[in-house]
Amino acid sequence: NAGVTQTPKFQVLKTGQSMTLQCAQDMNHEYMSWYRQDPGMGLRLIHYSVGAGITDQGEVPNGYNVSRSTTEDFPLRLLSAAPSQTSVYFCASSYSRAGGWYEQYFGPGTRLTVT
Amino acid sequence: AQSVTQLDSHVSVSEGTPVLLRCNYSSSYSPSLFWYVQHPNKGLQLLLKYTSAATLVKGINGFEAEFKKSETSFHLTKPSAHMSDAAEYFCVVSKMDSSYKLIFGSGTRLLVRP
Repeated sequence: NAGVTQTPKFQVLKTGQSMTLQCAQDMNHEYMSWYRQDPGMGLRLIHYSVGAGITDQGEVPNGYNVSRSTTEDFPLRLLSAAPSQTSVYFCASSYSRAGGWYEQYFGPGTRLTVT
Repeated sequence: AQSVTQLDSHVSVSEGTPVLLRCNYSSSYSPSLFWYVQHPNKGLQLLLKYTSAATLVKGINGFEAEFKKSETSFHLTKPSAHMSDAAEYFCVVSKMDSSYKLIFGSGTRLLVRP
């Protein structure tokens, strides 16, 4: 298993540009999520999905869109990049058993700089 | 509401000495707690998890943590530090609703001196 994969690893955007951060997992996990990591602030949830076709907002969703057309993929779209979106982005996935969710597995991250 | 507080932003130990990283949590019900480690420019790796089965939890690389409900603590320990343990450690509590949001502490950076 490759686990959770993210592309690209690094990206530089100009203000106003759009792009999509890719996330895929090969563990057949129902749950997938996106976090951003900023210095001194830990990780904050952007969007999450509990299955194909189901998405919802997390703690800091503004400026980001997601969709989940398959179990494996959960792309994060920045429609009009802003310098405040400079961050490291992590995708994670998890699975359920006996009514609860288990630990989340994280991808290697995408380092995004918006100039 | 759930929250976690990591009591030290930096901890420095000598190689071969014990490690103690402190975490207090706040939760209105029995929480699921985790410790994750992040090496420089890497993703997050799960060290161990507490999900109410046993109060003393053993993880990878010789780490363990004890859940103490009376003290609302979940401190991470290791008997003998290795140079490879130098990293940032996050104490995490999960929000047990449909969002399954992970609530991260602010992190503790562990430095290991030779």
